[in-house]
Amino acid sequence: DQQVKQNSPSLSVQEGRISILNCDYTNSMFDYFLWYKKYPAEGPTFLISISSIKDKNEDGRFTVFLNKSAKHLSLHIVPSQPGDSAVYFCAAASDGGTSYGKLTFGQGTILTVHP
Amino acid sequence: GAVVSQHPSWVICKSGTSVKIECRSLDFQATTMFWYRQFPKQSLMLMATSNEGSKATYEQGVEKDKFLINHASLTLSTLTVTSAHPEDSSFYICSASRGATDTQYFGPGTRLTVL
Repeated sequence: DQQVKQNSPSLSVQEGRISILNCDYTNSMFDYFLWYKKYPAEGPTFLISISSIKDKNEDGRFTVFLNKSAKHLSLHIVPSQPGDSAVYFCAAASDGGTSYGKLTFGQGTILTVHP
Repeated sequence: GAVVSQHPSWVICKSGTSVKIECRSLDFQATTMFWYRQFPKQSLMLMATSNEGSKATYEQGVEKDKFLINHASLTLSTLTVTSAHPEDSSFYICSASRGATDTQYFGPGTRLTVL
């Protein structure tokens, strides 16, 4: 049962344009969401996160939007740069119960930014 | 920074042998370490959570006698795959955090191939 889904396996964008990566979740207990970036042969690196009490969080070129009613979040990268080419994972967590601290990951989306 | 290393980065072993993978937090004390595995084109799946000095908590479906986890110090956790079989071939990634709900910093991963 895939509780966090990234339905687009890949995305190709021109340099300077906006990249929009999408993520859907099914577990209503999730209340904290994160985006990670992963290069080949490296571990994921943390990009940006958002708590369920917010609907938007911005950090430089990266903005994450959360739509709780739709159980959907998205990562916007503006402007996209070739160095952004990587696999992007969304992850979800809940702050309570037995899942304390546990991250559930999506399958990842391969982003390619063309010069 | 928060750097996590893994050793080895890749390992090939014969079926039936045991393999130990080390995860180290290089510049911070990790109260909690997590072990994940990733199959090709799939998401990172949490295997177990370990807290320093106590037994690991395994996710449902993960055999604790097959995947032995030791978190003996605040900077080192080890995962031993016992009696490895070809179906254990995967990419194993650890993460470390200062506390259970703090940011997880990921290692670069270990590629295990069992012949």
